[in-house]
Amino acid sequence: SQTIHQWPATLVQPVGSPLSLECTVEGTSNPNLYWYRQAAGRGLQLLFYSVGIGQISSEVPQNLSASRPQDRQFILSSKKLLLSDSGFYLCAWSETGTSGANVLTFGAGSRLTVL
Amino acid sequence: GQNIDQPTEMTATEGAIVQINCTYQTSGFNGLFWYQQHAGEAPTFLSYNVLDGLEEKGRFSSFLSRSKGYSYLLLKELQMKDSASYLCAVMDSNYQLIWGAGTKLIIKP
Repeated sequence: SQTIHQWPATLVQPVGSPLSLECTVEGTSNPNLYWYRQAAGRGLQLLFYSVGIGQISSEVPQNLSASRPQDRQFILSSKKLLLSDSGFYLCAWSETGTSGANVLTFGAGSRLTVL
Repeated sequence: GQNIDQPTEMTATEGAIVQINCTYQTSGFNGLFWYQQHAGEAPTFLSYNVLDGLEEKGRFSSFLSRSKGYSYLLLKELQMKDSASYLCAVMDSNYQLIWGAGTKLIIKP
């Protein structure tokens, strides 16, 4: 069966510090991978998605970046965090290809507080 | 623009039935999803509708009317563990998911 791991679960970072959130998927090959951010009272905001190694699409201009160094590894980074980067970050995967029935499976989430 | 509307919060009684509505305006339609999200946790998949009608899965049912841009999630025999946020999401013509802000459901004994 497939599993998704995301870490760290919680982190508190000062403004201007770097960020690295990591996500790995097991039990599947060539998954579609996603990074979302969820702010309180708002819908999930898609930040990045990837359909393969080295293929990253950015949905929102920001000071965040994503990388996919391996098939089942997805990393969210920032060189200098802003206060507005605080939020709940979710990694997700879906089956390869494009289909309306592609169900997203989410990692446990990373709660980031920037002070 | 694309838009998903659902009530911010609803309250219901344990053992009762509740209906959570979702209306949408999107560029094309390739399916509608409902997810459940407990506080502080990740969303988990509940249902998928692409054709008009009712899909039943145990205590949960989901309905879709594409002509009206409308869906609802029906929860029967409510249990305290059903207290959560329920997220409606629509897949548009580019196979991108558009998310609603979620409905927080509070269950009272």
